[in-house]
Amino acid sequence: GENVEQHPSTLSVQEGDSAVIKCTYSDSASNYFPWYKQELGKRPQLIIDIRSNVGEKKDQRIAVTLNKTAKHFSLHITETQPEDSAVYFCAASSGSGNTGKLIFGQGTTLQVKP
Amino acid sequence: GAVVSQHPSRVICKSGTSVKIECRSLDFQATTMFWYRQFPKQSLMLMATSNEGSKATYEQGVEKDKFLINHASLTLSTLTVTSAHPEDSSFYICSAAAGVGVDYGYTFGSGTRLTVV
Repeated sequence: GENVEQHPSTLSVQEGDSAVIKCTYSDSASNYFPWYKQELGKRPQLIIDIRSNVGEKKDQRIAVTLNKTAKHFSLHITETQPEDSAVYFCAASSGSGNTGKLIFGQGTTLQVKP
Repeated sequence: GAVVSQHPSRVICKSGTSVKIECRSLDFQATTMFWYRQFPKQSLMLMATSNEGSKATYEQGVEKDKFLINHASLTLSTLTVTSAHPEDSSFYICSAAAGVGVDYGYTFGSGTRLTVV
């Protein structure tokens, strides 16, 4: 089955700097790669996603890149702010329609220092 | 957008008792519901996949007789933790896939914090 590896487990940056989180996946059939931000005790919140037919997607300060050949994808946050501090999870799904299992990476705790 | 309602949000139960968690899709039909468990400072681990009208598929290492899943309708899936023990204390969260094509995504319930005493 699918296995998703996420690094680093913790990341500390100064406000205004960039943060990069990387993930690799094992199932070459995976075609959907979302990134989630999770506050303590809350549900994961989708911040950006990418599908296998594109290599990069950007939404304001957040961008995701996908390398299908290498089976890895990355989250880039620019101009970080203290409110970006949270746990971030990558995930991968190989399903189509509504049948694909969503498998999560181990998570990255991001701390943005003022 | 798609909404999944999950109840209860918190529950405390005595060891040996059973607890039922409900997830309802409010404005769409969830033919498939995924159930996750999240221990403190860990990731979301997929427990099982439930499909409307059929038996759930459990991930390796998850006891199907302990975690009973029922998906009787297109809008309701339930997870029952039977004979709960303190080690079952965790955050349980459901997720449903909604939409098709470019609108395909996953909608999460708000989660249930289970504490077994």
